[in-house]
Formats: sequence, structure tokens, C-alpha cells
Amino acid sequence: QSALTQPASVSGSPGQSITISCTGTSSDVGGYNYVSWYQQHPGKAPKLMIYEVSNRPSGVSNRFSGSKSGNTASLTISGLQAEDEADYYCSSYTSSSTPWVFGGGTKLTVL
Amino acid sequence: QVQLVQSGSELKKPGASVKVSCKASGYTFTSYAMNWVRQAPGQGLEWMGWINTNTGNPTYAQGFTGRFVFSLDTSVSTAYLQISSLKAEDTAVYYCARSSSSGAFDIWGQGTMVTVSS
Repeated sequence: QSALTQPASVSGSPGQSITISCTGTSSDVGGYNYVSWYQQHPGKAPKLMIYEVSNRPSGVSNRFSGSKSGNTASLTISGLQAEDEADYYCSSYTSSSTPWVFGGGTKLTVL
Repeated sequence: QVQLVQSGSELKKPGASVKVSCKASGYTFTSYAMNWVRQAPGQGLEWMGWINTNTGNPTYAQGFTGRFVFSLDTSVSTAYLQISSLKAEDTAVYYCARSSSSGAFDIWGQGTMVTVSS
């Protein structure tokens, strides 16, 4: 069981916006601004999409945005495109004995 | 360009050992920590731990102590993951990933598939 909870799947049509949630506790998501998001296409390595809750690395489309409220972080993808279909994982620093944890992952389907 | 290149797929028998390499290029190896992440078939990402590339000091996540060893050869900018006494449940893709200053995993290796089967 993952320390961070994500929906197993979300879907949207091209051009629409979707939001993926990542729920933790005050010991991880809620306590630190070290939440990051990763995109993983089948058979490929994960790719960093968002770091420190809401920052985009150079080269990542501004259609991707991140936010946090309390113990829940969110990834929003606007203007959905077919190429966005992938698995998405959140990660957070945690005060537990294992300092970094991932969410269980969310499969995004572009209809 | 900045990249991490991992060694190729491995097929091992139960009880054997395996050593996966992760060669860094395009940046100063000792300026960033190196992490290891496991992904079992059809499953999510699992953080295994990290190694301080300056001191060589490793930190292992719960569940990855004892049979798992992180090491370095800074002369060739390479990190290693060794797994001993392999079990079928160790079958997975193993990724190395660089930590940025924020702790996010900003550069990933391509992954190494380790299959444990008799």
C-alpha cells in the first residue's frame, strides 16, 4: 500500500482539462513543499513534470500545473492531447523513516 | 547532455546476485545524490534509497535493507546497485535517478530489467 493516495484512473477528451489528486498526511504532503509529479509512458522511464509543488522544469509544457491544499496535492493538465496519455505518479518528502514516497500512480486515458 | 545510462537486462536464478550499473555524464557526478527506484511488473514506483555521491554514505528505505547495496566508483561517474540472494519477487525494472537540489528526481536512467527465474 502506497503512502500517498492517487485515483487509479482518470480520463478526458482532447482539449479538456483534468486534475489528478495525491492525498497524504501532515507528515508528508501537508508538511513540506517537496511534492513532485512524474509522467511515465509504457516501457519508458519516468519524467519529471512538476517539482516543489508547482514548478515546471525547463522544457515541460505550461499545460501542466501543480498545486497543494492541506494534505492534498494536485496535478492539472489543460488542453489535453493524445500524447498526455500515460501513468502519472506523485512523490513527496516525508518525516518518516523512509524520506521519499510515491503515490500508487494514476492512469490517464485520453478519449 | 545530462544523462544516466544503465546496464542491460539480467536473467538470474534464485539465490544468485546481480549488480546493476548507472553511468552519469554531462554533469559533475559528485554534485548530486543518486537514488534507486524499483518498479515491479505492472506496479508503481517504489523508492529504494539513495547514496551520497560525495561521501558514499547510503540510505536504504524500509524493505531494502540487508540484501541491497548501493555503491559508487566516482572515477568513472558510476553508481551501482547490488542485490544478493535473489528471489522471484525481486523481478522488476530498477531505475537510477538523480536528485535535484529540491529532492525531486530530475534525471532518470532508462531502467534495467532484472528477471529472477529458475
